[in-house]
Amino acid sequence: DTGVSQNPRHKITKRGQNVTFRCDPISEHNRLYWYRQTLGQGPEFLTYFQNEAQLEKSRLLSDRFSAERPKGSFSTLEIQRTEQGDSAMYLCASSADLYTGELFFGEGSRLTVL
Amino acid sequence: GNSVTQMEGPVTLSEEAFLTINCTYTATGYPSLFWYVQYPGEGLQLLLKATKADDKGSNKGFEATYRKETTSFHLEKGSVQVSDSAVYFCALQEYNNNDMRFGAGTRLTVKP
Repeated sequence: DTGVSQNPRHKITKRGQNVTFRCDPISEHNRLYWYRQTLGQGPEFLTYFQNEAQLEKSRLLSDRFSAERPKGSFSTLEIQRTEQGDSAMYLCASSADLYTGELFFGEGSRLTVL
Repeated sequence: GNSVTQMEGPVTLSEEAFLTINCTYTATGYPSLFWYVQYPGEGLQLLLKATKADDKGSNKGFEATYRKETTSFHLEKGSVQVSDSAVYFCALQEYNNNDMRFGAGTRLTVKP
């Protein structure tokens, strides 16, 4: 069990550029979540996949954000035309079962927009 | 909507001191409640949980009791260790809802 893997761990970009983050969940987990965490705050839910289907999206997920999980395994989160307000830690989590409530988190991808 | 309010930090304690981190919640239904912990350089991990009123979650010497009457889920440990230094997050999740709501986190530092 290698845990949830995210990369890159840190991305520095200029405002207006596009960035993409990748998440590899625990292999047998069919549920995958993206969260955003800003300094001094807890994680905020962005979106959820069950297998390859994106079943929920937060209103925090503006139209500049898009997430995919094409084969129900890894997922990508793309941010287009980045803004300074997008600077945050982007967390991926996976789980096997909705009802246990146990999410397994990766270490996160930190985005800095200059 | 659902929300979680945590005691503000940071909290600094000496080894073997008693720990309490307060957590209160607002929910429309009957959520499950969780404490997650983030050790330095690691991802968040589940510490303990409780799924209904009066349940007590416990793990690694930490305990929290689901109090519906006070809408609280305070985290306690009788004797903290240096290795308990971490950020602690209280969270709630409504049944059949994928949006887990987290508090802002409380940073605990335990000094030898």
